[in-house]
Amino acid sequence: AQTVTQSQPEMSVQEAETVTLSCTYDTSENNYYLFWYKQPPSRQMILVIRQEAYKQQNATENRFSVNFQKAAKSFSLKISDSQLGDTAMYFCAKDSNYQLIWGAGTKLIIKP
Amino acid sequence: DTEVTQTPKHLVMGMTNKKSLKCEQHMGHRAMYWYKQKAKKPPELMFVYSYEKLSINESVPSRFSPECPNSSLLNLHLHALQPEDSALYLCASSHQISQGTGAQYFGPGTRLLVL
Repeated sequence: AQTVTQSQPEMSVQEAETVTLSCTYDTSENNYYLFWYKQPPSRQMILVIRQEAYKQQNATENRFSVNFQKAAKSFSLKISDSQLGDTAMYFCAKDSNYQLIWGAGTKLIIKP
Repeated sequence: DTEVTQTPKHLVMGMTNKKSLKCEQHMGHRAMYWYKQKAKKPPELMFVYSYEKLSINESVPSRFSPECPNSSLLNLHLHALQPEDSALYLCASSHQISQGTGAQYFGPGTRLLVL
């Protein structure tokens, strides 16, 4: 069975700092998508960034970037210049057939 | 702004009530999903519709009954629920489910409380 593991249940950093959330996964597939979703306390699940496994270039979206290491099956999210609005649960997910395989989530708190 | 909308935002119901949750997507997607989410946990998949046909039922109790009237709408009919069914119910959509789901886009959810 495929799994997605987020080893950091909770993290906190000061506003404007850079923070990295880790995610590892297990799969025998060669082509797939990986995602980071953000769920603020308002509970809207928002797609932050996606990575296609066959693309070697790491995806970036403004202050959000990933470090994708396909051989190591690692997919970390870096948030630069963190803001108070980045406070949320962050879920790593991998697509597989009809569903997403979810990590347990990391609660990120940005302190003023 | 979200392109997946859900109504109502909040719902309180007794164990003998019948209610429905509604979801609408304006993204032209052909796959739609219902999830149940407990606090601080990832979403749990309930149902998957592909091209308006039920493709996946993740062994969900029959007190939950999905319906897909057309490619943009998804309903979840609720009847005789239990207190443990209290949760956030999320609707999502994606382009299709063949060759992987691709990105799923979520609605804001309905927070359900069963008394």
